[in-house]
Amino acid sequence: DAGVIQSPRHEVTEMGQEVTLRCKPISGHDYLFWYRQTMMRGLELLIYFNNNVPIDDSGMPEDRFSAKMPNASFSTLKIQPSEPRDSAVYFCASSFDRTGVDGYTFGSGTRLTVV
Amino acid sequence: ILNVEQSPQSLHVQEGDSTNFTCSFPSSNFYALHWYRWETAKSPEALFVMTLNGDEKKKGRISATLNTKEGYSYLYIKGSQPEDSATYLCAHSGSARQLTFGSGTQLTVLP
Repeated sequence: DAGVIQSPRHEVTEMGQEVTLRCKPISGHDYLFWYRQTMMRGLELLIYFNNNVPIDDSGMPEDRFSAKMPNASFSTLKIQPSEPRDSAVYFCASSFDRTGVDGYTFGSGTRLTVV
Repeated sequence: ILNVEQSPQSLHVQEGDSTNFTCSFPSSNFYALHWYRWETAKSPEALFVMTLNGDEKKKGRISATLNTKEGYSYLYIKGSQPEDSATYLCAHSGSARQLTFGSGTQLTVLP
């Protein structure tokens, strides 16, 4: 397995534009997590899915953020409209279960810069 | 302790030195404790997952212990090498089962 695949690796966009981040989890992993990493707050959970269903989105900062998982092999995190304070590294992770009995497997992250 | 706390925040050691750092977590609400190694420009990589009080895990020169009663875990690195330089993250899961990450200990091993 190629691991968790995220795209793009880097994204630079202008304030107000829509940004879509993509994630392909490991096949067979039932849980998918979106994290955001910033200097101030470290790694914070935004939302997670179980069997493609959003379970907890309490970490999503505001209505500008939305996430979907249309099938077991694909998820998106969308920011519309984007703002400079959204600049961060966004990680996707997947696991067999919510606790990650073997640990979570993280993607390489998407570094988002909003100018 | 309400959150996951790690100390020290950063650490510089000489090649060959042994070192350790601490992760503190809520002892009243525990399911599992994870340690991850996170190299710059890469993604966090799972080192250990521990669930039982007194658990000890080892992988090469790196080991970890767990005390769920008092809410702490130690990560030890024996004979540090420059390639051990990374941020070491711990993460706790409680009754809600999802992971809460600490802010990490940034280790630099000087040759």
